[in-house]
Amino acid sequence: GENVEQHPSTLSVQEGDSAVIKCTYSDSASNYFPWYKQELGKRPQLIIDIRSNVGEKKDQRIAVTLNKTAKHFSLHITETQPEDSAVYFCAASNGFGNDMRFGAGTRLTVKP
Amino acid sequence: DTGVSQNPRHKITKRGQNVTFRCDPISEHNRLYWYRQTLGQGPEFLTYFQNEAQLEKSRLLSDRFSAERPKGSFSTLEIQRTEQGDSAMYLCARSGGGNTGELFFGEGSRLTVL
Repeated sequence: GENVEQHPSTLSVQEGDSAVIKCTYSDSASNYFPWYKQELGKRPQLIIDIRSNVGEKKDQRIAVTLNKTAKHFSLHITETQPEDSAVYFCAASNGFGNDMRFGAGTRLTVKP
Repeated sequence: DTGVSQNPRHKITKRGQNVTFRCDPISEHNRLYWYRQTLGQGPEFLTYFQNEAQLEKSRLLSDRFSAERPKGSFSTLEIQRTEQGDSAMYLCARSGGGNTGELFFGEGSRLTVL
């Protein structure tokens, strides 16, 4: 089955700096790669996703890149703000959701 | 609001007791998933329903765990003879429309086994 590894486990940045979180996956059949944000005590919520037919996707300050050959994808947050502080999870699946596997998470802290 | 309601939100029980969690998704026809999340970890897949049919079960789901989705609407997750290692957040999620792949999570049911 799919195995997703995520790095780093914790990340601390100064407000306004960029943050990068990286994930690798094992199953070459995976074609859907979402990123979820989970604030303390709350549910995971989708912030951006990418499919394998696309190399990069951007939504305001958030971007995701995908390298299918190397089986890794990354989340980039620019101009970080304190409200970006949360745990971020990457995931990979075949696009139908029943085999979605999550990384262990990255705790991002943005210091004002 | 993700259209997924879970209850109870928090359950404290003694080891050996049975517990049941309920998940109510907004629509009867979406796929429905159960995940378990422990502190410092990502959600771990437990099981998945397409309407009332349970199509996949993780190896994590021991014989003490059982899930149902009668009539393809709400779902229940029962844990029998609870153990301290069962303490976790149990998350229910529904799929989005079509084959988007996106999951919409409920707020979760936190289980504490004493």
